[in-house]
Amino acid sequence: RKEVEQDPGPFNVPEGATVAFNCTYSNSASQSFFWYRQDCRKEPKLLMSVYSSGNEDGRFTAQLNRASQYISLLIRDSKLSDSATYLCVVTTSGTYKYIFGTGTRLKVLA
Amino acid sequence: DVKVTQSSRYLVKRTGEKVFLECVQDMDHENMFWYRQDPGLGLRLIYFSYDVKMKEKGDIPEGYSVSREKKERFSLILESASTNQTSMYLCASSLQTTGDTQYFGPGTRLTVL
Repeated sequence: RKEVEQDPGPFNVPEGATVAFNCTYSNSASQSFFWYRQDCRKEPKLLMSVYSSGNEDGRFTAQLNRASQYISLLIRDSKLSDSATYLCVVTTSGTYKYIFGTGTRLKVLA
Repeated sequence: DVKVTQSSRYLVKRTGEKVFLECVQDMDHENMFWYRQDPGLGLRLIYFSYDVKMKEKGDIPEGYSVSREKKERFSLILESASTNQTSMYLCASSLQTTGDTQYFGPGTRLTVL
């Protein structure tokens, strides 16, 4: 089983739609969680960190469910510019490693 | 803003050549990382460094070595390039702990012929 798993998609949604992605992780000792965005042929860039209490940044909401070992990303009112691959990243206390999911591809259609 | 730069965006080399990829960060970060990214496999950690002259193997270190002589610079070396090392190489840095954000360079797309 992969340490971090994501549905690769693509998720094709119309502009204005709400879309949600999940990411599951296997290590119950995982400590920190992030969502990164990666545009085609570009580097990953931090979208948001995921806190235990959940967090929101404009149209984006991230949540953590430790009991079921997954994090989620909700995008409201999708824009064409949201089209990208969204990477889930998990770290574990006591290591220097960041574990990346393979990403979920989102296409927002006009 | 954190800036991570990589020496080349695109590189074409021949099998057997020695290849140097350089990465520089300007934010005094302790940790630096080298990844490769391939379709369907995601980012895989090659090596990382948590201090000057300190390095640790990641998940796929075979065929690679690294050097960190100065805090801001982390080099990836392909001792004898092979076609299966054709990939996108991404350098990243983070401040200190794994709770800190990783910042990535723009990547080097290496093709080995």
